Amino acid sequence: KQEVTQIPAALSVPEGENLVLNCSFTDSAIYNLQWFRQDPGKGLTSLLLIQSSQREQTSGRLNASLDKSSGRSTLYIAASQPGDSATYLCAVIDAGNNRKLIWGLGTSLAVNP
Amino acid sequence: GAGVSQSPRYKVAKRGQDVALRCDPISGHVSLFWYQQALGQGPEFLTYFQNEAQLDKSGLPSDRFFAERPEGSVSTLKIQRTQQEDSAVYLCASSFAHYTDTQYFGPGTRLTVL
Repeated sequence: KQEVTQIPAALSVPEGENLVLNCSFTDSAIYNLQWFRQDPGKGLTSLLLIQSSQREQTSGRLNASLDKSSGRSTLYIAASQPGDSATYLCAVIDAGNNRKLIWGLGTSLAVNP
Repeated sequence: GAGVSQSPRYKVAKRGQDVALRCDPISGHVSLFWYQQALGQGPEFLTYFQNEAQLDKSGLPSDRFFAERPEGSVSTLKIQRTQQEDSAVYLCASSFAHYTDTQYFGPGTRLTVL
C-alpha cells in the first residue's frame, strides 16, 4: 500500500531564506507526483507536476525534483517570502491506486518578515 | 469559469439531516474528483467521474454518500442522514482529460454536523 510522508511537519524561517521540503513515498511505481499549496479557506493550488519519466520541474522560485527509484521528491523554494506561508502537500498517483491521489500530511511553512 | 467553484462554502447541519454539495468544474474538463479532508489530514479520495460516468466510487465511506454528474459538467455530492463524523471539508477537483493530468481544486465546502 502506497504511503506518502512529508518532513518536516512544520517549518518557520526568516524571510529570504532558501528552503527544502521533503516528500517520500513507499512504492516507486508511480505515474506522477504533484506538489500543492493549501491556504486556509482557499482550497488547494497545484504548484508543480512531475511525470514519472522526469527528474525535475521548475516554476519561478520553485523547483521540484523526483528520484523515483529512491521514492523521494524535494520542493526547493528560493528566496522565501511571507506570502509563501502556507501548507505544502505532495501527492502521488501510482499504478496500484488508479485515479487516486495518495497524499502526505503536508508541511506547514511560516515565513517571517 | 476561471476556476472550480463549490457551493455552499460553509454548511451547518443537524445530525440526521440530508445535505447536497455542489461543484462546478472548469469548463470542458472531463475528469472530476471529490475528496474529504479532515482537520490536519491530507485529502481522502471519495469518487471520480469521467464525463457523466462514475468510474470509481470506492472511497465513499458509506451508502449514505452519493455523487452524481448527470450531464458531465456540474456534480453534486449528497450525504443522507448526516452524522458528526461527516464533519470535514469536501473538496472538488477537475482535470482536463486524463486522471493523471493536473487537478485543479475548488475552495471546498466546510460541513459541520451538530
